Amino acid sequence: KQEVTQIPAALSVPEGENLVLNCSFTDSAIYNLQWFRQDPGKGLTSLLLIQSSQREQTSGRLNASLDKSSGRSTLYIAASQPGDSATYLCAVKQAGTALIFGKGTTLSVSS
Amino acid sequence: GAVVSQHPSWVICKSGTSVKIECRSLDFQATTMFWYRQFPKQSLMLMATSNEGSKATYEQGVEKDKFLINHASLTLSTLTVTSAHPEDSSFYICSAREGSGPVTEAFFGQGTRLTVV
Repeated sequence: KQEVTQIPAALSVPEGENLVLNCSFTDSAIYNLQWFRQDPGKGLTSLLLIQSSQREQTSGRLNASLDKSSGRSTLYIAASQPGDSATYLCAVKQAGTALIFGKGTTLSVSS
Repeated sequence: GAVVSQHPSWVICKSGTSVKIECRSLDFQATTMFWYRQFPKQSLMLMATSNEGSKATYEQGVEKDKFLINHASLTLSTLTVTSAHPEDSSFYICSAREGSGPVTEAFFGQGTRLTVV
């Protein structure tokens, strides 16, 4: 059974820092991996989608990498801002299943 | 990206009553819709998968008679929580996907905060 783990569970950084969020999954047979942002009490905003054949995706200050063989992905946020404060969720897609989510990393960026 | 609208965004109901949550795909036809539940500080847990015109497939441990799912059209799925109890209080999120390919991206609604008092 696929399990998705995110480390750390929470992270606090001062504005301007670069940071890395980690995601690991136990079964490497995935179609894709997706990073989401969730603000308190809100739905999910898709940030980046990496297909299994890809190694990374970039969008603005965000860069996500995927190492499928080792079951790992990282989300890199450059020059963090207070507006980046949210919970970041990692999810994987396998054959015949819906997305399987990790518990998320709650990020707090202080000004 | 495509837009999925979920309504209501929050609802408070009395114990024993039923609550209906709607999920609509606004600019695409959703052949598959998913319903998730999220408890505080927990991950999203899949409750059921529904394909248009057929019965929903429920995950283990999810009571199909309590959580009624209807996917009558390609743009609308509903989740009805019947005889709600305080332990059903949670954040419910729907997701919709166009097509059936494995790499087809799913889009999420804004979520519904259900509080049963």
